[in-house]
Amino acid sequence: QVQLVESGGGLVKPGGSLRLSCAASGFTFSDYYMSWIRQAPGKGLEWVSYISSSGSTIYYADSVKGRFTISRDNAKNSLYLQMNSLRAEDTAVYYCARGGIVAANFNWGQGTLVTVSS
Amino acid sequence: QSALTQPASVSGSPGQSITISCTGTSSDVGGYNYVSWYQQHPGKAPKLMIYEVSNRPSGVSNRFSGSKSGNTASLTISGLQAEDEADYYCSSYTSSSTLEVFGTGTKVTVL
Repeated sequence: QVQLVESGGGLVKPGGSLRLSCAASGFTFSDYYMSWIRQAPGKGLEWVSYISSSGSTIYYADSVKGRFTISRDNAKNSLYLQMNSLRAEDTAVYYCARGGIVAANFNWGQGTLVTVSS
Repeated sequence: QSALTQPASVSGSPGQSITISCTGTSSDVGGYNYVSWYQQHPGKAPKLMIYEVSNRPSGVSNRFSGSKSGNTASLTISGLQAEDEADYYCSSYTSSSTLEVFGTGTKVTVL
């Protein structure tokens, strides 16, 4: 069955960096686009970034553009999110999700918590 | 890109039907048939319930149905059950540079 496992979250100071990873299994990773979606504590879902199956097409939310970088390694069945210049408002649970149809995320990981605080 | 607008809360009694609205613009909901709906129970990851406005993934109960009219999409839950109590989010493809946008979320309470 499809499994997505995020890791790399933690406590980081404002201005710091963090790299999230998402290990995928149970499907042909290289066939699917992937996304990162976050949820601040007690708040709603916010789409963060998208990467196509080959990695050639990438999109970002305006709130993270220029600070976050999405990437993938199809040989390792892994998705990444490099987060730089972190701000307090980036504090959230970060989910990786498998796409399939446009703007439809069929499978989600359990999430990893990122806390930006001094 | 602003979030799509949903009512903060909707409630209903067991067995009743409820409808959650999701209002956007012609650049997202109104312009494309790429609206999805997600269910999220407390402390859990979201679960896809509807995609492409009205399609259900395998395993999702047929008590859940989706539709769209103009710039507003809707999720209807019929035969409301206690287990349906959760937060629900819509999302849509958007022609803006950001690709996808979520709704503000709706808390469904089963009375």
